Amino acid sequence: AQSVAQPEDQVNVAEGNPLTVKCTYSVSGNPYLFWYVQYPNRGLQFLLKYITGDNLVKGSYGFEAEFNKSQTSFHLKKPSALVSDSALYFCAVRGRSNDYKLSFGAGTTVTVRA
Amino acid sequence: KAGVTQTPRYLIKTRGQQVTLSCSPISGHRSVSWYQQTPGQGLQFLFEYFSETQRNKGNFPGRFSGRQFSNSRSEMNVSTLELGDSALYLCASSLGLSGETQYFGPGTRLLVL
Repeated sequence: AQSVAQPEDQVNVAEGNPLTVKCTYSVSGNPYLFWYVQYPNRGLQFLLKYITGDNLVKGSYGFEAEFNKSQTSFHLKKPSALVSDSALYFCAVRGRSNDYKLSFGAGTTVTVRA
Repeated sequence: KAGVTQTPRYLIKTRGQQVTLSCSPISGHRSVSWYQQTPGQGLQFLFEYFSETQRNKGNFPGRFSGRQFSNSRSEMNVSTLELGDSALYLCASSLGLSGETQYFGPGTRLLVL
């Protein structure tokens, strides 16, 4: 079985401050890890993914995430948050066999105040 | 390239009816996945298709079914609708399976009365 935990339902930060959205996962073997963002009444937009190689992954809109195998974590970070980053963020994991599906966390609502 | 398109965008049905939702993937993508999103249950996986074959299936009752055509377009059907089927249904396409990035459509919002 595989699963994803996003321990914070909500994250509130001031514009210009660093933003971190936490994610831990459980999967057999090495994972594929993804971050998506969802704006109201929209589908999910892909931000970044970890497949292999460098543990620090850079993605769209200035976001990055660090894969930590020992802590089974894949936290999303942005050095300086913008008001427009306010949205719902999903972490997702998939095992490396084609038998695995893509499993999503419950989501974290990010609010960036001006 | 055009993104993933889903039709219809909004749908209102009554209990007991059936509904068919359609998804057109990004050109060249051979895999299509379907998800149900609700405030209470979050994002739940329904099925995944690759080259017209169902590769994975989520834990949904048999009232939920799907298929994929030779042009990679996909449809999902829900029969005997229940109030709890009200949700946003999201389709995603990818080049292949496993580590390939899934790109999502805007969704179909289904309301069952």
